[in-house]
Amino acid sequence: DIQMTQSPSSLSASVGDRVTITCRASQGIRNDLGWYQQKPGKAPERLIFAASILHSGVPSRFSGSGSGTEFTLTISSLQPEDFATYFCLQHNGYPRTFGQGTKVEIK
Amino acid sequence: QVQLQESGPGLVKPSETLSLTCTVSGGSVSSDSSYWTWIRQPPGKELEWIAYISYTGSTNYNPSLKSRVTTSLDTSNNQFSLKLSSVTAADTAVYYCAREVITPVSRYYFYYMDVWGKGTTVTVS
Repeated sequence: DIQMTQSPSSLSASVGDRVTITCRASQGIRNDLGWYQQKPGKAPERLIFAASILHSGVPSRFSGSGSGTEFTLTISSLQPEDFATYFCLQHNGYPRTFGQGTKVEIK
Repeated sequence: QVQLQESGPGLVKPSETLSLTCTVSGGSVSSDSSYWTWIRQPPGKELEWIAYISYTGSTNYNPSLKSRVTTSLDTSNNQFSLKLSSVTAADTAVYYCAREVITPVSRYYFYYMDVWGKGTTVTVS
């Protein structure tokens, strides 16, 4: 299985801060990586696919980068509605595997 | 807009079979390029991909669960289902259904989970 290591597991930030979350794959996965957001009690929502392509309707303050084994999700200016848990998911091979998740909390 | 809703017992006894159904609304389980997926998250742990059943009925199971998992498609009711046999406390989790789709970008194809259910908590006790 492809192991996905996500960091940090949690972070505290203020509105307006720039936030960066990283996922590392145990082997090269090209750019077959997605980022998702989950709020408590709600279904996860897609943010980014193919490592860097924003899904329709996702604010431009979200961006993704990386290829191979290192990937980054950046929120350029954190907004109140962005406080949530974020996780990466590799779509390169089966079984699909997830990062451990990053909980973004209000500072 | 496609929506998914999980349903099934919230409590299952050890050694019994966990059965969950995902009802699809706003779309068809027979939609091209749809991979109807089950995912779970045990308390305090990361998400775990369980299986998919495709719009054609083909399946793919996580090797760690393969001996205990079965998925099926019910086109007449627009649902898909999960059965997990011989459950133990380790199977206690929030179970999600989701749809994975494939999309072309330039010369390549990419997958993503485009819609998820809200999840249902299953406790084995």
